[in-house]
Amino acid sequence: KAGVTQTPRYLIKTRGQQVTLSCSPISGHRSVSWYQQTPGQGLQFLFEYFSETQRNKGNFPGRFSGRQFSNSRSEMNVSTLELGDSALYLCASSVRLAGTYEQYFGPGTRLTVT
Amino acid sequence: QKEVEQNSGPLSVPEGAIASLNCTYSDRGSQSFFWYRQYSGKSPELIMFIYSNGDKEDGRFTAQLNKASQYVSLLIRDSQPSDSATYLCAVLGWVGSNYQLIWGAGTKLIIKP
Repeated sequence: KAGVTQTPRYLIKTRGQQVTLSCSPISGHRSVSWYQQTPGQGLQFLFEYFSETQRNKGNFPGRFSGRQFSNSRSEMNVSTLELGDSALYLCASSVRLAGTYEQYFGPGTRLTVT
Repeated sequence: QKEVEQNSGPLSVPEGAIASLNCTYSDRGSQSFFWYRQYSGKSPELIMFIYSNGDKEDGRFTAQLNKASQYVSLLIRDSQPSDSATYLCAVLGWVGSNYQLIWGAGTKLIIKP
């Protein structure tokens, strides 16, 4: 079974630009979540998509948005980039089974904003 | 008060001993609790999911949930050097009007051979 893939793995952007990150979940997983990880703030939840609908969202400004396609692949977009958006962006795909929960993270996209 | 709190460590445990990691949370209504392991430079890996009071065991790992006291712990028996990592606790709960996975800052665990 192929793992969660994220593209690109590394990205350098300048302030004010926008960026789109992509995540392909494990086959059969319909839920995709996005997280931001920084040394100062740790891991923070961005949003979760399930069957093309945003199910939950974290406390991030509207510059952060996402979507999910019918094949469960998801994209995350950040507009008007700020220096503070430099982080590792992780996506995870998951499925809730009877009495248990299966979740796998992708390798992440390292975004640097200059 | 942070919603999910963990001792940042490092917690140093001799090989073969039991490592005990603790996590407290503030949202009394939280129903689902997670423990992750993250090696340096790697993505988190889900190792335990627990949603009912009591203990859940999986191999050398045991998660203990006490909703009345609002804590969840992770015990690692027969600790191995390969268990050295940062362990993250996460709780599904409310932050303002948003229902989300809330993360602790993580506890760095070091297993000494």
